[in-house]
Amino acid sequence: DSGVTQTPKHLITATGQRVTLRCSPRSGDLSVYWYQQSLDQGLQFLIQYYNGEERAKGNILERFSAQQFPDLHSELNLSSLELGDSALYFCASSVSGMGSYEQYFGPGTRLTVT
Amino acid sequence: KNQVEQSPQSLIILEGKNCTLQCNYTVSPFSNLRWYKQDTGRGPVSLTIMTFSENTKSNGRYTATLDADTKQSSLHITASQLSDSASYICVVGPNNNDMRFGAGTRLTVKP
Repeated sequence: DSGVTQTPKHLITATGQRVTLRCSPRSGDLSVYWYQQSLDQGLQFLIQYYNGEERAKGNILERFSAQQFPDLHSELNLSSLELGDSALYFCASSVSGMGSYEQYFGPGTRLTVT
Repeated sequence: KNQVEQSPQSLIILEGKNCTLQCNYTVSPFSNLRWYKQDTGRGPVSLTIMTFSENTKSNGRYTATLDADTKQSSLHITASQLSDSASYICVVGPNNNDMRFGAGTRLTVKP
């Protein structure tokens, strides 16, 4: 158990809909990262927050947005969903946003868009 | 072109045998290289993190090597077990918020 929690574990929704994925980092970790892993694809970095502020952006679509709250939990919002958005979405946390600090991954949320 | 290339794509070995997975990268600048193990449908778990000044690091039966000059890394698994069946992902980055992921090597250990 990495100490990172993600909810829900599974989510099935229809095209055009909007969903919110939630992540709670490990106790003491200030940085949260979101990743997307499509079927048979590698992990793609989406976005990073550090202590409530956006720190880095990767391959995140404009239909997607995220935020980190004062209690350090984070939410990833996916809107106008398309079939291609079906994927595993992972959250990871680390104590710092820079350097070579360990990233701890959550169990993921499996999103299925029908 | 992916900046982190892993080989082979997949590998099948018998339980108890050793194997070596390869990672070549072109990421620059370079700060650290990580190997993760990912079981199907689960989050990646870190095996090793190496900085540019380290050339080998072990974690139990897993040993990672790094040659920063040739930009190559390998992950050696000794005395494989059925539970080693997973994808192994090489990750290279200048720092935590700019990490580049390889596509992974899918390892299957058969009894």
